[in-house]
Amino acid sequence: GENVGLHLPTLSVQEGDNSIINCAYSNSASDYFIWYKQESGKGPQFIIDIRSNMDKRQGQRVTVLLNKTVKHLSLQIAATQPGDSAVYFCAEKDPGGYNKLIFGAGTRLAVHP
Amino acid sequence: ETGVTQSPTHLIKTRGQQVTLRCSSQSGHNTVSWYQQALGQGPQFIFQYYREEENGRGNFPPRFSGLQFPNYSSELNVNALELDDSALYLCASSLVGQGSAYGYTFGSGTRLTVV
Repeated sequence: GENVGLHLPTLSVQEGDNSIINCAYSNSASDYFIWYKQESGKGPQFIIDIRSNMDKRQGQRVTVLLNKTVKHLSLQIAATQPGDSAVYFCAEKDPGGYNKLIFGAGTRLAVHP
Repeated sequence: ETGVTQSPTHLIKTRGQQVTLRCSSQSGHNTVSWYQQALGQGPQFIFQYYREEENGRGNFPPRFSGLQFPNYSSELNVNALELDDSALYLCASSLVGQGSAYGYTFGSGTRLTVV
């Protein structure tokens, strides 16, 4: 299948630890952001989203933080599990008026038992 | 509720040929977008279809074209294939209304190899 993320930065964590994946976005006018998880051979899977009128949003084991001042997003995964191993992308919705997502470069998360 | 489905899953074509990829959008969604994902990179926006018309396009040449049908399914056509067109092609559907986008959902993609 598809081998996503051959040359992507890698974050290696121990099972049970918390993971933090960072992302910088490009357009200060962007108002909607999404984190995706992509496993080998699959399409991006929605994890969590956040709108620009919020600084933080929590889901099940995941938290997204948005810092609009420095145009930075982070994804925090609590109690990381082997099943969390994948490539993670942040995406910003292009503020240009139609439904286009601009993806970041991606980070590979490797969870070790 | 069904998700986004794409066909075929894998495809091998020869340089210069034409290819058609298909996508069925998620139930209740009215917009389809297509993305190209080269190995080791994030998806790149090709174009979007809403109400059966293209209403946004990324930096891709005209030999990349598409269609959206009344049932919101879509096709991506690529003519005169080049080796660099080898990639994972992703379809995403969403519900667009009142200026916002909801439920941006991707299919599993079609892996196109051009030889």
